[in-house]
Amino acid sequence: DTEVTQTPKHLVMGMTNKKSLKCEQHMGHRAMYWYKQKAKKPPELMFVYSYEKLSINESVPSRFSPECPNSSLLNLHLHALQPEDSALYLCASSQGIGGGTDTQYFGPGTRLTVL
Amino acid sequence: EDQVTQSPEALRLQEGESSSLNCSYTVSGLRGLFWYRQDPGKGPEFLFTLYSAGEEKEKERLKATLTKKESFLHITAPKPEDSATYLCAVLNTGTASKLTFGTGTRLQVTL
Repeated sequence: DTEVTQTPKHLVMGMTNKKSLKCEQHMGHRAMYWYKQKAKKPPELMFVYSYEKLSINESVPSRFSPECPNSSLLNLHLHALQPEDSALYLCASSQGIGGGTDTQYFGPGTRLTVL
Repeated sequence: EDQVTQSPEALRLQEGESSSLNCSYTVSGLRGLFWYRQDPGKGPEFLFTLYSAGEEKEKERLKATLTKKESFLHITAPKPEDSATYLCAVLNTGTASKLTFGTGTRLQVTL
């Protein structure tokens, strides 16, 4: 089973709110990712965690704060977002990084709207 | 810098009309090339991983092939349920886990 789950499916928040997106996988994967996707554009990488440590931060503004509490969970904490942050936020996981374990499996996404 | 170009941007086929989608790539060292299918408002669904030139993979009506400069996704006798955006992405041997995506081909299959 190659399932990545994400909650919530939809989120509407004001610019002063604090919210969190959650991602979970039970495939024993050791790498997890956050992507942002705007309409009719490809996904853009935000963060990569490898073995629960942050390995890539693609110069994402500090109003996005990732957290990896354990090997199955990945959170994205949101604070003081701007309307232009409205997008589909995708979580992905892969078995590892390198050596034929790179295939990333995506979750269904969280549709975020910032008012 | 890695680059991925997909063509055409959009393709409209009648049911049963076979065709191919193209993914041209420039990468200093290819670790892998990936094809995904994405339905509107959903996450990308993994289809294939190709690692070396000459490799081919098949799944139902889809077949992916890889050369040193491009990959093709062949769709044989498509059905309306094959309508989606098809994304191609590459991994560079030097950039660990960062996928570089193309902008996708939007496929519509009509009855």
